[in-house]
Amino acid sequence: GENVEQHPSTLSVQEGDSAVIKCTYSDSASNYFPWYKQELGKRPQLIIDIRSNVGEKKDQRIAVTLNKTAKHFSLHITETQPEDSAVYFCAARTSGSARQLTFGSGTQLTVLP
Amino acid sequence: DAGVIQSPRHEVTEMGQEVTLRCKPISGHNSLFWYRQTMMRGLELLIYFNNNVPIDDSGMPEDRFSAKMPNASFSTLKIQPSEPRDSAVYFCASSHPRTPDTEAFFGQGTRLTVV
Repeated sequence: GENVEQHPSTLSVQEGDSAVIKCTYSDSASNYFPWYKQELGKRPQLIIDIRSNVGEKKDQRIAVTLNKTAKHFSLHITETQPEDSAVYFCAARTSGSARQLTFGSGTQLTVLP
Repeated sequence: DAGVIQSPRHEVTEMGQEVTLRCKPISGHNSLFWYRQTMMRGLELLIYFNNNVPIDDSGMPEDRFSAKMPNASFSTLKIQPSEPRDSAVYFCASSHPRTPDTEAFFGQGTRLTVV
């Protein structure tokens, strides 16, 4: 089955700096890669996703890049703000009838004011 | 739509007792997922239903865990008997069949504490 590894497990940045979180996946058949943000005590919520037919997607301060050859994808947050502090999860889904997401272990991002 | 609804939000029970967690997916979503979240193991998929049929239950930790989906608008996850190591936040999520790869919407979760 799919295996998703996520790094780093914790990340602290100064407000206004950029943050980068990286994930690798094992199944070359995976074709959908969402990123979820989970604030303390709340549910995971989708912030951005990318499909295997594109290499980059951007939404305001958030961008995701995908390298299918190397089987890795990254989340980039620019101009970080304190409200960006949360746990971020990457995930991968394989095409076909199996539609469940395999999640990475999460990254605790802390933005220091 | 109110989103994925889970109940109860919090559950405290004694070891050995039966626990039932409930989930109402978003109307029209045909895929439903149960996840367990702990500090040690992160988000783990327990079981996945498609059109009310269990597709993959390989993540169910042991026979004490069982899940049902009697209709498109309701699912339960049961633990019998419960043990302290079952303490975790249990999330239910659902997704829409319209496109091959769509977002999974999570419920608010049930925080289970087994003492």
